[in-house]
Amino acid sequence: EPEVTQTPSHQVTQMGQEVILRCVPISNHLYFYWYRQILGQKVEFLVSFYNNEISEKSEIFDDQFSVERPDGSNFTLKIRSTKLEDSAMYFCASSPLTSGTQYFGPGTRLLVL
Amino acid sequence: AQKVTQAQTEISVVEKEDVTLDCVYETRDTTYYLFWYKQPPSGELVFLIRRNSFDEQNEISGRYSWNFQKSTSSFNFTITASQVVDSAVYFCALSETSNNAGNMLTFGGGTRLMVKP
Repeated sequence: EPEVTQTPSHQVTQMGQEVILRCVPISNHLYFYWYRQILGQKVEFLVSFYNNEISEKSEIFDDQFSVERPDGSNFTLKIRSTKLEDSAMYFCASSPLTSGTQYFGPGTRLLVL
Repeated sequence: AQKVTQAQTEISVVEKEDVTLDCVYETRDTTYYLFWYKQPPSGELVFLIRRNSFDEQNEISGRYSWNFQKSTSSFNFTITASQVVDSAVYFCALSETSNNAGNMLTFGGGTRLMVKP
């Protein structure tokens, strides 16, 4: 069964450093998403991406964040200058349709020191 | 604005008991979708069910059942004869359709279910 994959599973970085989180969505899906979950809290929407552009973003997704689909398979989230409060689990998701079921990857746990 | 409330932060049951997880939502859309996801201790988010706002039929899948009531804006989840493997955090989520460009999920705060042997 196809699944969303994410790399790395864990990343530790120093405050102010740039990080890139990578995702490979399910191959025939058209909509891609990033969410984050601060430890012990709810899952929060960051951004949705369709047809090679951002379709929706939350207040959390400020100028420090960017997304890209550099090729036909990868979908990346970049944080330019990490802050302590960026420490969280980051989930990628993909969906074949708008309002379709979103299937989540296993997550990348980011720790900013 | 859309909102999902899961009032039960934590529930503890003994194996084989039935348990119901509550979910109440708010939305101005007439067409929307409701979801349940399971987050086991390993951390991934596992899709359980998707329901659209026009389909109020209850659904049963094995030991799992869902009760959708538009009149009370609720989408409750029942596990029958709970098992230790059901121990997880369960999230209810809502997707509106007013924005057609790939609809974000709004999650509730989650309910941590602990099933004791």
